Amino acid sequence: ETGVTQTPRHLVMGMTNKKSLKCEQHLGHNAMYWYKQSAKKPLELMFVYNFKEQTENNSVPSRFSPECPNSSHLFLHLHTLQPEDSALYLCASSQDRSSGGAADTQYFGPGTRLTVL
Amino acid sequence: GESVGLHLPTLSVQEGDNSIINCAYSNSASDYFIWYKQESGKGPQFIIDIRSNMDKRQGQRVTVLLNKTVKHLSLQIAATQPGDSAVYFCAEKLYYGQNFVFGPGTRLSVLP
Repeated sequence: ETGVTQTPRHLVMGMTNKKSLKCEQHLGHNAMYWYKQSAKKPLELMFVYNFKEQTENNSVPSRFSPECPNSSHLFLHLHTLQPEDSALYLCASSQDRSSGGAADTQYFGPGTRLTVL
Repeated sequence: GESVGLHLPTLSVQEGDNSIINCAYSNSASDYFIWYKQESGKGPQFIIDIRSNMDKRQGQRVTVLLNKTVKHLSLQIAATQPGDSAVYFCAEKLYYGQNFVFGPGTRLSVLP
């Protein structure tokens, strides 16, 4: 778990707030991901970055804005969220998305538990 | 769209017994599978993977079985311990494909 770290671990915010989630991976990977995990639902892929370039936006509302300044860091900027956005937000990384197979095996951080009031 | 699902949402086993967690997948083209373990308050942890050119793969106390004929994946945990209590979910994709499809998960409870 120390390979991928996320901060903060818990966040409570109002609907008018602006906050950011941070993810850092220490595995030397080139791909990073944001997932949303809601109760009793499978993991939902939000964004994918490969070599700092965004390669996928899975129809995520614009109130979620990702940023990937380098292959080791990933941010998720939040603004004017809704209560239904409350969930566990997981960051993951993989060695190389373009190679497929085992190189795409994703390793997850501990997540940020987000509550929107 | 096609999805991955789990037969049992909860599973309770006695400490020391073997556990079997099942996963059904609907995309017959999927050829790469992973089992993850997620403990309370933590992110998913990679346990074991398997490609479709294999029907069995063993790790430390865990075995994954793949039955391509019926599109079924299982995770066997030998001598289940209290530390095995967690949610387990499978993920599948095309080996050279893009995105994993994750199952909803099965909660394993180990009874003393």
